[in-house]
Amino acid sequence: GAGVSQSPSNKVTEKGKDVELRCDPISGHTALYWYRQSLGQGLEFLIYFQGNSAPDKSGLPSDRFSAERTGGSVSTLTIQRTQQEDSAVYLCASTSRGTFQETQYFGPGTRLLVL
Amino acid sequence: GESVGLHLPTLSVQEGDNSIINCAYSNSASDYFIWYKQESGKGPQFIIDIRSNMDKRQGQRVTVLLNKTVKHLSLQIAATQPGDSAVYFCAENLDGTSYGKLTFGQGTILTVHP
Repeated sequence: GAGVSQSPSNKVTEKGKDVELRCDPISGHTALYWYRQSLGQGLEFLIYFQGNSAPDKSGLPSDRFSAERTGGSVSTLTIQRTQQEDSAVYLCASTSRGTFQETQYFGPGTRLLVL
Repeated sequence: GESVGLHLPTLSVQEGDNSIINCAYSNSASDYFIWYKQESGKGPQFIIDIRSNMDKRQGQRVTVLLNKTVKHLSLQIAATQPGDSAVYFCAENLDGTSYGKLTFGQGTILTVHP
């Protein structure tokens, strides 16, 4: 796989339902980031994973949001009891080491629409 | 209440012209800056970066200028092409952390007319 992949590409759900968004980083990349992009906005940092270290969750907007990264590779972002304001594009990025001057490679995003 | 749509800054140029996209950053302690290009339906794509100990860096057809005095960053695209049409974001490493926790600007829509 050449790049970061995300699934699903689009998700429509009803208010109050839970959703899971998946990110497959570039093989061998140890660092993984989740961002949220609301309509007409820049990207908002959500969470960062690096190897086996405790993740930086400081960007998660509420306790309805959580993320896991299993085996240091695939990550899942879960939004419980979705609200209409959760509608956005959720982007994942990875870097090889997680240091601050590395290029972040982004996936195509998951477009979430909460009705 | 009524919702108000957000309007990104826009720049329209003719093919072959040079484009300049500007960005004001917020934290004088930021020490790493990046420009990203985002085409419709895609994730952001790295264009060029610059460290705070530099004031200019050049790539292929692109130049980034950093003015730390006024906290201003610009992206210059030479001989703009229709394929350059996209939303351009600047980003800064805000916390000075040891990893890439980036803060992104609002973005500028660049439209290149053939």
